[in-house]
Amino acid sequence: DSGVTQTPKHLITATGQRVTLRCSPRSGDLSVYWYQQSLDQGLQFLIQYYNGEERAKGNILERFSAQQFPDLHSELNLSSLELGDSALYFCASSVSGNTDTQYFGPGTRLTVL
Amino acid sequence: DQQVKQNSPSLSVQEGRISILNCDYTNSMFDYFLWYKKYPAEGPTFLISISSIKDKNEDGRFTVFLNKSAKHLSLHIVPSQPGDSAVYFCAASARGAQKLVFGQGTRLTINP
Repeated sequence: DSGVTQTPKHLITATGQRVTLRCSPRSGDLSVYWYQQSLDQGLQFLIQYYNGEERAKGNILERFSAQQFPDLHSELNLSSLELGDSALYFCASSVSGNTDTQYFGPGTRLTVL
Repeated sequence: DQQVKQNSPSLSVQEGRISILNCDYTNSMFDYFLWYKKYPAEGPTFLISISSIKDKNEDGRFTVFLNKSAKHLSLHIVPSQPGDSAVYFCAASARGAQKLVFGQGTRLTINP
């Protein structure tokens, strides 16, 4: 158990819909990262927040957005969903947001039908 | 642009022998490297890391070697155990860039 929690574990929805994925970092970690793993793909970095502020952005679509709240939990919002958005979405957290180890949550499996 | 490459999609090793997983990178700005292990339906689990100022780091059965001139790192697991069967990802980050860049993973199977 990494100490990072993600909800829900599974999500099935239809094209065009909007969903919200939630992540709670390890106690004491200020930085949260979101990654996407599509079928047969490695993990792709989406976005990072540090202490409530966006710190870095990767290959995140404009239909996707995220935020980190004062209690440090984070939400990833995916809208106008397409079939190709079906993937595993992982959240990770780290202490400082600089070069340090990231600890991953169990992931949310999103299926878009 | 695949900056981190794991060229072996799969590896099969006898229980008790050494498992060697390899990873190559192209970005000379990478200065921190990590190995993660992943079981199906679970998130990646951190195994071991190494900073670019070192060439070896050891933790129990796991040792990571870094060859900066060759831009190559490897993970040695000895002795290999059935519970080591999983997908292994190497990842790298560059100074000042917090994101991790992952390889495609190597599926390790330990045979009894």
